[in-house]
Amino acid sequence: KQEVTQIPAALSVPEGENLVLNCSFTDSAIYNLQWFRQDPGKGLTSLLLIQSSQREQTSGRLNASLDKSSGRSTLYIAASQPGDSATYLCAFLNRDDKIIFGKGTRLHILP
Amino acid sequence: GAGVSQSPSNKVTEKGKDVELRCDPISGHTALYWYRQSLGQGLEFLIYFQGNSAPDKSGLPSDRFSAERTGGSVSTLTIQRTQQEDSAVYLCASSLEAFRTLNTGELFFGEGSRLTVL
Repeated sequence: KQEVTQIPAALSVPEGENLVLNCSFTDSAIYNLQWFRQDPGKGLTSLLLIQSSQREQTSGRLNASLDKSSGRSTLYIAASQPGDSATYLCAFLNRDDKIIFGKGTRLHILP
Repeated sequence: GAGVSQSPSNKVTEKGKDVELRCDPISGHTALYWYRQSLGQGLEFLIYFQGNSAPDKSGLPSDRFSAERTGGSVSTLTIQRTQQEDSAVYLCASSLEAFRTLNTGELFFGEGSRLTVL
């Protein structure tokens, strides 16, 4: 069974710190990997999409990397802000056109 | 529309009743996904449409669940004889194309329909 593991499950850091969220997956034959943000009671918002041929993507203070060989992706958030508080999910697209999600990391940025 | 639209946003029903959840994808998006998110759990894949056809129905939890899509646009997820364990947020997402054809596949989600079965 293909799985996505996100560590840690929850994280609290003071405002201004740089932080890294981790995502590992069991299937190296992925087509892409996507990071999402989910605010309480809301749907998911796409943050970054990394194609299988790419190693990283950047958007503002966010940087996501992909290492297919080791089955890992990281989301780096620079200079964290209270507005970054949310649950962050990673998901990969497999060869069967199925998108497999992790359970997410609940991030809380302390003002 | 500008984004993926889902209705109703909240639905409370009694055990045994049927419910219908609707998803209106982004205009022009041919791929449409249904997921279920239970409290404290990850997203559970239910079904995926490419156009009006559903190549993968493997995630539907039981035969009480069905989904259809007409005109390559709006999709309806129907749950018959609802049970308490069906309580969850049902999320719909759409994408421009079937992922493997373009290898892009950025997914856009609606706000979800929260279902509570009493």
